Amino acid sequence: EAGVAQSPRYKIIEKRQSVAFWCNPISGHATLYWYQQILGQGPKLLIQFQNNGVVDDSQLPKDRFSAERLKGVDSTLKIQPAKLEDSAVYLCASGLGGTTEAFFGQGTRLTVV
Amino acid sequence: KNQVEQSPQSLIILEGKNCTLQCNYTVSPFSNLRWYKQDTGRGPVSLTIMTFSENTKSNGRYTATLDADTKQSSLHITASQLSDSASYICVVTYLTGGGNKLTFGTGTQLKVEL
Repeated sequence: EAGVAQSPRYKIIEKRQSVAFWCNPISGHATLYWYQQILGQGPKLLIQFQNNGVVDDSQLPKDRFSAERLKGVDSTLKIQPAKLEDSAVYLCASGLGGTTEAFFGQGTRLTVV
Repeated sequence: KNQVEQSPQSLIILEGKNCTLQCNYTVSPFSNLRWYKQDTGRGPVSLTIMTFSENTKSNGRYTATLDADTKQSSLHITASQLSDSASYICVVTYLTGGGNKLTFGTGTQLKVEL
């Protein structure tokens, strides 16, 4: 079974530029999460989707971050404009929902210079 | 406030030795607790999952315990190997009106040396 796919694996941008990350969850998984993991810390939830609806985006900095999950499958996370403190690994995870396990992708490492 | 705290923050052990990682949580209402292993540069991978009624669960050389009364969990690694070097993250799931939520600990960074 294919896992959660994310791209790109690495991205370096200058501050104030824009960047987008893509996630393809495991087939059939209704729940999709985006996490931000700063070096040395645990992942922090940015947004949680159930199919194509947003369940929780309370910690998403909406002035610069946006995410969508068109058709309830793939998802994109965008940052515009980026700040130095956005440097982190952005993890996408998917699950069947409820209390089942969340499966993680390998993440996108973003460096803002 | 729902929180998950892990200790120690980092640990260095010799290959072949055992070690125990700790996780304390204040998450409520509790649904389940998972231990994840995160290798450098990779996403977390689940090791064990425990519900309220489970006290112990093993996965090879990994044994997790859960005390739901004291809200504590531990992950014991037996006969450590170099490949065990990774970050171990405790994740507690709780239920809300908006569905299940995951609360992550900051992880314990384990290094196994020769």
